[in-house]
Amino acid sequence: DAMVIQNPRYQVTQFGKPVTLSCSQTLNHNVMYWYQQKSSQAPKLLFHYYDKDFNNEADTPDNFQSRRPNTSFCFLDIRSPGLGDAAMYLCATSRDRGRDEKLFFGSGTQLSVL
Amino acid sequence: KQEVTQIPAALSVPEGENLVLNCSFTDSAIYNLQWFRQDPGKGLTSLLLIQSSQREQTSGRLNASLDKSSGRSTLYIAASQPGDSATYLCAVELWRSQGNLIFGKGTKLSVKP
Repeated sequence: DAMVIQNPRYQVTQFGKPVTLSCSQTLNHNVMYWYQQKSSQAPKLLFHYYDKDFNNEADTPDNFQSRRPNTSFCFLDIRSPGLGDAAMYLCATSRDRGRDEKLFFGSGTQLSVL
Repeated sequence: KQEVTQIPAALSVPEGENLVLNCSFTDSAIYNLQWFRQDPGKGLTSLLLIQSSQREQTSGRLNASLDKSSGRSTLYIAASQPGDSATYLCAVELWRSQGNLIFGKGTKLSVKP
């Protein structure tokens, strides 16, 4: 049974058109993460929520925003997608934050920007 | 700045062979090191987590070792099977981070029947 669910599996958007990716979890974990993985590259953390606290990575562009309305759901908003934002976006959760916590990943959303 | 490197980028072996994947990192101040598996177009599955105080972890046919002082980890896969074909990524969590894993680019493994 899927524990971290990402929708949609594939998303196509136009240059500059806002897009939202969604993630839900059945694990009741406190922490939810969003990673960006470009083709043949390492996943890179964009930001994470520790409960309701939003933590942005220093080099995450302002174009990327996130919302977590409740424990189960987290959204990634790209306000004005550029061609360089085409990537796989991975959502992950962990029970707590800090050392030795395993991350559980969803299957990802592959974003194309036309 | 922590950098994680995985060599080789791709590896092809015949079924049944034992193999080793390599991971190196530049900053030894880590909480832990994790190995993940990623199937094409899919998310990541955690395979093994080695705490900074440990030297190895085993799960089935997988064995991961950690040498913090030299900044190296290896993932040993015994008796490889075609179902092992995937990309294997290692990631480190730094002492000063809050859950931010630094990933390598991965090694793409192909096991031929």
